[in-house]
Amino acid sequence: GAVVSQHPSRVICKSGTSVKIECRSLDFQATTMFWYRQFPKKSLMLMATSNEGSKATYEQGVEKDKFLINHASLTLSTLTVTSAHPEDSSFYICSARGQSNTEAFFGQGTRLTVV
Amino acid sequence: GEDVEQSLFLSVREGDSSVINCTYTDSSSTYLYWYKQEPGAGLQLLTYIFSNMDMKQDQRLTVLLNKKDKHLSLRIADTQTGDSAIYFCAESMGNDMRFGAGTRLTVKP
Repeated sequence: GAVVSQHPSRVICKSGTSVKIECRSLDFQATTMFWYRQFPKKSLMLMATSNEGSKATYEQGVEKDKFLINHASLTLSTLTVTSAHPEDSSFYICSARGQSNTEAFFGQGTRLTVV
Repeated sequence: GEDVEQSLFLSVREGDSSVINCTYTDSSSTYLYWYKQEPGAGLQLLTYIFSNMDMKQDQRLTVLLNKKDKHLSLRIADTQTGDSAIYFCAESMGNDMRFGAGTRLTVKP
């Protein structure tokens, strides 16, 4: 299957700082990328959907000024958690879908801990 | 219901079959998926089924789809300890995907 690389896999940051997470499609062009947040014992929650070259569409309840998403190229999307707080600590996963793909391929996920 | 629902835990003995059940929300969902998540890792697509199919078999995996009841199941034959993981079902409608909470499968020797 196609490969999606997410980096970093783990990050610890201080409260008030910003953290950037990268999601790259390595062997296909990702026309659409998705960002999810996984809460313990709960399902993956879609945060936002981004199409290359256009602004991301955020799900209800997700602060777009706090979770900045950039999808500037067909192989890279970034999620920046701005002014992080301990309650932002979570597991964030990206996925990417190409124009002809029936499924979305997932990154390895990023464990964010805000201290 | 509004959520994709799965039971949270399943425990089986090595060599037995595992059946993980899921109910989804939208009868117009086009694809239904099963993903596997191992500790610390992202999601790995195991298999998917198109909504006009009733069954799909892929080696040890069998997916059954009951569209009338919006019920999806994943059967793992001859379950091995390496199958221990969290299994997520998901439905997709266009660009949207909706996931269940995941079923933690524990395989005992």
